[in-house]
Amino acid sequence: DSGVTQTPKHLITATGQRVTLRCSPRSGDLSVYWYQQSLDQGLQFLIQYYNGEERAKGNILERFSAQQFPDLHSELNLSSLELGDSALYFCASSVGTVNTGELFFGEGSRLTVL
Amino acid sequence: AQSVTQLGSHVSVSEGALVLLRCNYSSSVPPYLFWYVQYPNQGLQLLLKYTSAATLVKGINGFEAEFKKSETSFHLTKPSAHMSDAAEYFCAVGNSGNTPLVFGKGTRLSVIA
Repeated sequence: DSGVTQTPKHLITATGQRVTLRCSPRSGDLSVYWYQQSLDQGLQFLIQYYNGEERAKGNILERFSAQQFPDLHSELNLSSLELGDSALYFCASSVGTVNTGELFFGEGSRLTVL
Repeated sequence: AQSVTQLGSHVSVSEGALVLLRCNYSSSVPPYLFWYVQYPNQGLQLLLKYTSAATLVKGINGFEAEFKKSETSFHLTKPSAHMSDAAEYFCAVGNSGNTPLVFGKGTRLSVIA
């Protein structure tokens, strides 16, 4: 158990809909990262928050947004969903910056868009 | 920009045989390198990391990796494969700045009895 909690574990929805994925980081970790994992693209970095503020942005679509709340949990909002958004979405956390530390991953939220 | 290439999307070895998973990186600054493992239906977990100390890095479960700057490689090895090693393995690169890790596409390791 990494200590990172993601909900829901599975989500099935239709094209055009909007969903919210939630992540609670490990106790004491200030950084939260969102990654998208798909068969063709591998593990793609979406966005990072540190103590409530956006720290880095990767290949995140404009239809996607995220935020980190004062209690440090984070939400990833996906809107106007398309078939290609079907993927496993991971949240990870770390104490501070990631590079010399360790990223702790949740078990992921599997999104299926029909 | 940094990138990682993992050679071979799928590697199959016999139980007790040597495991070798290949990773080559590209980085314009001194890299920090990582191997993560993902077991079925689980998140990724750190196996080992190189952050500019010893070039031979030992990790959990008997795995180790060697940083070779001249070859821009960070291959993962284990002398004797066990059935429980079957998983997806990801190589990742970072640096001393604040950029998030960049992951390779992963190599699925199968262990045959």
